[in-house]
Amino acid sequence: QQQVKQSPQSLIVQKGGISIINCAYENTAFDYFPWYQQFPGKGPALLIAIRPDVSEKKEGRFTISFNKSAKQFSLHIMDSQPGDSATYFCAASILSGGFKTIFGAGTRLFVKA
Amino acid sequence: NAGVTQTPKFQVLKTGQSMTLQCAQDMNHEYMSWYRQDPGMGLRLIHYSVGAGITDQGEVPNGYNVSRSTTEDFPLRLLSAAPSQTSVYFCASSFKGLGETQYFGPGTRLLVL
Repeated sequence: QQQVKQSPQSLIVQKGGISIINCAYENTAFDYFPWYQQFPGKGPALLIAIRPDVSEKKEGRFTISFNKSAKQFSLHIMDSQPGDSATYFCAASILSGGFKTIFGAGTRLFVKA
Repeated sequence: NAGVTQTPKFQVLKTGQSMTLQCAQDMNHEYMSWYRQDPGMGLRLIHYSVGAGITDQGEVPNGYNVSRSTTEDFPLRLLSAAPSQTSVYFCASSFKGLGETQYFGPGTRLLVL
């Protein structure tokens, strides 16, 4: 019940295309859903995050879509660029009560120029 | 602010050797964590601390020890290295809780022969 399932494992997208990464969770108590971006040789860094009271959050070319009833959320990267090539992790947590963040397995994105 | 720093960046050990991975943060965060990253397995929590003098086990604690004598530092000790501990290790900190945004260090790549 604590797992976060992420797909696909890897993704190749043409420059200018849309990259879509999906995650699913089971614990309905989760109330914070961040996405982390990790470039090779670096640590993960927060990219964008959403709370379950909204269905979508957009920051520039990055959008999180959230479906509470299906217990799914996804990251959309519009107009994908070679500089977006990185590993992306979805995560879920409960902000109060000392709950630890649960990470998905990660998606390696490669954007072809 | 340097954020979260980790040393060394890369280390080779022989089976049975011990070593300490260093982690420090200058953001005055109470919460600190150690993760290991393995291909296809995402980020798995090893140990964490909710404040100076307080530590607890995460998902994969066996073979590792931690201590937290100051708010800034959170070293991870490998007691007797095994090839299964070959991984990339990330230290992270967060301000208000383990479920909040995690700020990651650049990582230590460890190879155990």
